[in-house]
Amino acid sequence: NAGVTQTPKFQVLKTGQSMTLQCAQDMNHNSMYWYRQDPGMGLRLIYYSASEGTTDKGEVPNGYNVSRLNKREFSLRLESAAPSQTSVYFCASSQDSYQPQHFGDGTRLSIL
Amino acid sequence: DQQVKQNSPSLSVQEGRISILNCDYTNSMFDYFLWYKKYPAEGPTFLISISSIKDKNEDGRFTVFLNKSAKHLSLHIVPSQPGDSAVYFCAATPIIIIIQGAQKLVFGQGTRLTINP
Repeated sequence: NAGVTQTPKFQVLKTGQSMTLQCAQDMNHNSMYWYRQDPGMGLRLIYYSASEGTTDKGEVPNGYNVSRLNKREFSLRLESAAPSQTSVYFCASSQDSYQPQHFGDGTRLSIL
Repeated sequence: DQQVKQNSPSLSVQEGRISILNCDYTNSMFDYFLWYKKYPAEGPTFLISISSIKDKNEDGRFTVFLNKSAKHLSLHIVPSQPGDSAVYFCAATPIIIIIQGAQKLVFGQGTRLTINP
């Protein structure tokens, strides 16, 4: 039972490079989310997709773009990576806005 | 501006005793609260939630208390077990946002709980 799968688990980039983080869920959930977690801070919402075909900004969207490719997949793209985007990125999904979110195990991203 | 605060970065408790984790919030629009538990190298997992129409919610060894006037909630774990050692996050959101179709959670910084044998 995979749940929420994130790829890759680790990545090192140079400043200015682009990168897409992949997320897929097999629970037939409608809503999907992207968070980042920095040391000493809680998770902060980057973007979310309440349902297939919709995306909206969260608390910290600058420097990121997202694509809800289909109901299962929600990708996060860094067009021109900056050191400030070094973080652990978590994808989550929920059946709808009333249900708890289920999280993937994260992608640890370092930008040099 | 930290709207959800967990002021204790760490807490150490003896096995079998009660663990109490605290969370404060500043945004009076928040009226739905959740606790998540996180092990190293894993994503957070949902533990328990509470809405502002209640002041207590129980699920097995876990109880969440909400004091709306003080803008404070706490998670009680009784009895504490070694497997409870993890980082605990509280999160909050306005119910109106949920009703509108989104679940935009604001998380605290987390408290690392260590249960000692």
